[in-house]
Parts: sequence; C-alpha cells; structure tokens
Amino acid sequence: KAGVTQTPRYLIKTRGQQVTLSCSPISGHRSVSWYQQTPGQGLQFLFEYFSETQRNKGNFPGRFSGRQFSNSRSEMNVSTLELGDSALYLCASSLTGMNEKLFFGSGTQLSVL
Amino acid sequence: GESVGLHLPTLSVQEGDNSIINCAYSNSASDYFIWYKQESGKGPQFIIDIRSNMDKRQGQRVTVLLNKTVKHLSLQIAATQPGDSAVYFCAESGNTGKLIFGQGTTLQVKP
Repeated sequence: KAGVTQTPRYLIKTRGQQVTLSCSPISGHRSVSWYQQTPGQGLQFLFEYFSETQRNKGNFPGRFSGRQFSNSRSEMNVSTLELGDSALYLCASSLTGMNEKLFFGSGTQLSVL
Repeated sequence: GESVGLHLPTLSVQEGDNSIINCAYSNSASDYFIWYKQESGKGPQFIIDIRSNMDKRQGQRVTVLLNKTVKHLSLQIAATQPGDSAVYFCAESGNTGKLIFGQGTTLQVKP
C-alpha cells in the first residue's frame, strides 16, 4: 500500500505570493491533517479534514486554508506569504482521525524569500 | 491551553545502552498518547502508542510507560543502535481527536 504522498517536495516563493500544497492520503484513509514544523515551534497543528469537511482547526491566521476532495486528497493554501511562513509542511492521514496513529508524508519544504 | 513538553532537548547515549526519553503533558483529559521518530529529511514515523486505560505497552525494543497521576510519559529503547539516532516526539490527544505534539528530543547514539 502506498504511503502518504506530498507534492511538491520543495518550494521557493517570495513575500506576498500564495502557494498551494497537495497531499494524497493512504488509500482508504478519510482523515487528513496538516502540520507546520519549524525549528523553534516544533509541530503545530493547522487543520484536519474528514469526508470533505474541516473538523478541527489550529491557531493559525485565515491566510492558511485547506480543502479535501471526494477522493480524500487534500490541498492547503497559504495566501500573502510572509517570511515566517517558511517551514516544513507535513500532511498526515488516518482512517478516522480520532485518537489513532497518523501516517505522515515526507513534507513540503517551503522557503519564503 | 494544551501543551506537551519534553524534559531534555538532547540525549546522548552509548551504543548498546538503554535510552529513556521523557515527556510531560498538561491535559488531564488526554486519553491517547503516541511516540514518533523523525529522521533528517523525513516525516515523523510511528513508534508506539498507548491509551489511558494502560500504564505500559511494549513493542520491539521499545516500551512506553504512562503515569497519569503525574501526567508523565516515557519511551524506553533497549540496546540503542546508531540507527536510533533521530528526533523523538511525544504527542497526546483527548476529546477533540487532534494530536498535540511536544517539542522533540534529539537522541544521539555514540559508537
């Protein structure tokens, strides 16, 4: 069974631009969660989607948004990029998303210049 | 708010010794706990998990201990190997279902 796939692997953007990251979960998994990882803040929860609905949301500004499609694939979007948005963005999938282990992708490394 | 903390940012051990990585959590309503290992350039990889109705769970060379009285979680790695060198994260979740991660402990294994 294929693991969680994230694309692209690396991205370089400039301040003010927007970016879209993609995540394909493990087949059969209906929950997709997104995390931001930085050296200073560790793994911070962004949001979680289940059956195309956002079920949980972390403490991030509205510039961070996401969606999930009927095939459980998910995208996250960051608008009006800031230097502080430079981070590794990790996607994780699970069957139900409720108190169970998450399977992570390798992440998208975003650099904002 | 919710927070999960680790006692030490870096742990250095000799190859073959046992390693113990500690984690403290603050949410007494948490009922699911999990440990992840993250190697450079990769996403976190599941190691072992435990639910609040247990206080110990063993896997292959790893043991997780949960002390709900003092809200403490630990990961024990037996006969530590160079391949165990990585950053280790604990995480917990409660009634919201979302996993909250600690800051991570870097395990360095000396040959």
